[in-house]
Amino acid sequence: GQNIDQPTEMTATEGAIVQINCTYQTSGFNGLFWYQQHAGEAPTFLSYNVLDGLEEKGRFSSFLSRSKGYSYLLLKELQMKDSASYLCAVSTYSSASKIIFGSGTRLSIRP
Amino acid sequence: GAVVSQHPSWVICKSGTSVKIECRSLDFQATTMFWYRQFPKQSLMLMATSNEGSKATYEQGVEKDKFLINHASLTLSTLTVTSAHPEDSSFYICSARPGQGGIGNQPQHFGDGTRLSIL
Repeated sequence: GQNIDQPTEMTATEGAIVQINCTYQTSGFNGLFWYQQHAGEAPTFLSYNVLDGLEEKGRFSSFLSRSKGYSYLLLKELQMKDSASYLCAVSTYSSASKIIFGSGTRLSIRP
Repeated sequence: GAVVSQHPSWVICKSGTSVKIECRSLDFQATTMFWYRQFPKQSLMLMATSNEGSKATYEQGVEKDKFLINHASLTLSTLTVTSAHPEDSSFYICSARPGQGGIGNQPQHFGDGTRLSIL
């Protein structure tokens, strides 16, 4: 089976840095995604990691350690609009390469 | 970039009604599309994988006869919630990936979702 764990809620201050962790256990690992979802809206793609290491994209960075089954999403220079849920999702080598989502982390940014 | 269109955005209907939701890939072909359901403050739960030209693959616990999926073309998948009841009220979201299955680095692109409310 598959299991994806991430914290339920986090709070951070505007302008600061926050790290959202994700651990996973899955067979046939084929990459890890991070998505952002604002309330009432569909998820939007943030990042993809399949090899170990850090991928940087503007204010957002994502890290992967395949041996540890661990990833994190790092958000810098936080803005109020970053208040959202952040979903860790794992892709697998199935016939359709389906993506399974974690429960999501609700991030609240305070002024 | 890749765009997925989902229609309708909102549906409010009486209990016992069947509701059809459409998911279209607008600028790419998708042999595979995915249907998710999301309850308030919960994450996306994969319901089924829609396969063009063949039967859908349902996740454990999802009723095939309740949630009918048709993927008749490379750009359109439909989900029909048959004889909907209040417990079926949820946010339904479809997604599709450009390219064939097995290409891990292609992100899924999501439709805007359909909010279904059964009275």
